[in-house]
Amino acid sequence: DQQVKQNSPSLSVQEGRISILNCDYTNSMFDYFLWYKKYPAEGPTFLISISSIKDKNEDGRFTVFLNKSAKHLSLHIVPSQPGDSAVYFCAASDGGGGADGLTFGKGTHLIIQP
Amino acid sequence: DGGITQSPKYLFRKEGQNVTLSCEQNLNHDAMYWYRQDPGQGLRLIYYSQIVNDFQKGDIAEGYSVSREKKESFPLTVTSAQKNPTAFYLCASSLMGSSFHEQYFGPGTRLTVT
Repeated sequence: DQQVKQNSPSLSVQEGRISILNCDYTNSMFDYFLWYKKYPAEGPTFLISISSIKDKNEDGRFTVFLNKSAKHLSLHIVPSQPGDSAVYFCAASDGGGGADGLTFGKGTHLIIQP
Repeated sequence: DGGITQSPKYLFRKEGQNVTLSCEQNLNHDAMYWYRQDPGQGLRLIYYSQIVNDFQKGDIAEGYSVSREKKESFPLTVTSAQKNPTAFYLCASSLMGSSFHEQYFGPGTRLTVT
């Protein structure tokens, strides 16, 4: 049973426009959410995170929104750049401070078109 | 430079052989993790360790073993009991406390068993 779901396997966006990646979760115990970016044959790199006590966190071109009642979060990238083309994973931890590992979604492959 | 190293990058083994994947970090992180990624899938937690000489099973520990004799090292052994060992293996580490959530990943080892 998947506790973190990324329902869009891929997303194509034109360069300069906004990219919106979505993530849904089912476990009410999740209290911290993260987005990772991954290139092929490399390890994921941490992008941005949000605590469940907040509904928005912004870092440069990246903003994460959290809707706890809907158990939904989204990552906005504005403006999208060619280097943003990668697989993006949504991840969550469940109150153990993340010490017992993260639960990942299956990822969304973002393709930025020139 | 601080970071996480995994070696080798590519590993080939015959079915029935045990194989050990190396993971070393010089970030002075307390916790270390092993994940597995299969095509089109998210990362799944195999084992994790919060302190030296202690480790816990993750979601898919069957067929794997680990040790944590030093803070810097967390090797993973893929045993012959693992039914589908071919995968991309990722090691990660994180600090204790509030930064537990943000795990830093190594470059990964792609294991192919034939």
